[in-house]
Amino acid sequence: AQSVTQPDIHITVSEGASLELRCNYSYGATPYLFWYVQSPGQGLQLLLKYFSGDTLVQGIKGFEAEFKRSQSSFNLRKPSVHWSDAAEYFCAVGATNDYKLSFGAGTTVTVRA
Amino acid sequence: GAVVSQHPSRVICKSGTSVKIECRSLDFQATTMFWYRQFPKKSLMLMATSNEGSKATYEQGVEKDKFLINHASLTLSTLTVTSAHPEDSSFYICSALPGLAGGILTDTQYFGPGTRLTVL
Repeated sequence: AQSVTQPDIHITVSEGASLELRCNYSYGATPYLFWYVQSPGQGLQLLLKYFSGDTLVQGIKGFEAEFKRSQSSFNLRKPSVHWSDAAEYFCAVGATNDYKLSFGAGTTVTVRA
Repeated sequence: GAVVSQHPSRVICKSGTSVKIECRSLDFQATTMFWYRQFPKKSLMLMATSNEGSKATYEQGVEKDKFLINHASLTLSTLTVTSAHPEDSSFYICSALPGLAGGILTDTQYFGPGTRLTVL
């Protein structure tokens, strides 16, 4: 069974500073990996995904993530955060046979001025 | 593109009543839809997988008689919470997996905005 761990429950970052959110996964084969963002009152929006190929994945809103098989990690980064990046971020791992997703517990990002 | 809607966005009902939540893929066909439940400050928990034209597959621990799922068309899945009780109060989220799109099978779930259910 697949699983995801997001070690950081809450991160506070200053506007303009860099952001890195950690994600570790457990899956027996090459996983499908996703980062979603959830803003208050809104649904989950896909930031980026990794299926195969280049391990550095570019997403929307200036986010990127790097797949590191040796560390079973898929950390999300943004060089310079904006106040609008304050939200809940979820990492998810998907099974390649039935597309079911297992989500991490989420990381709440607060952006201070 | 790839928009998923849910209706209603929020519902309050009395204990013992049934509530139906609709999930629609607006601009694509979805052979598979998923239903999740999200508790406050918690992650999403997969409840069931809904495939068009067949019975839903429920995750372990999810009562299939309480959470009835129907996937009647390629754009609509419904979740009915039967005989709702206060412990069923939660945020329910659906997602849709596009089928063949332009000849390419897509592998990404698109999520609806969620439905907040409060059972009094």
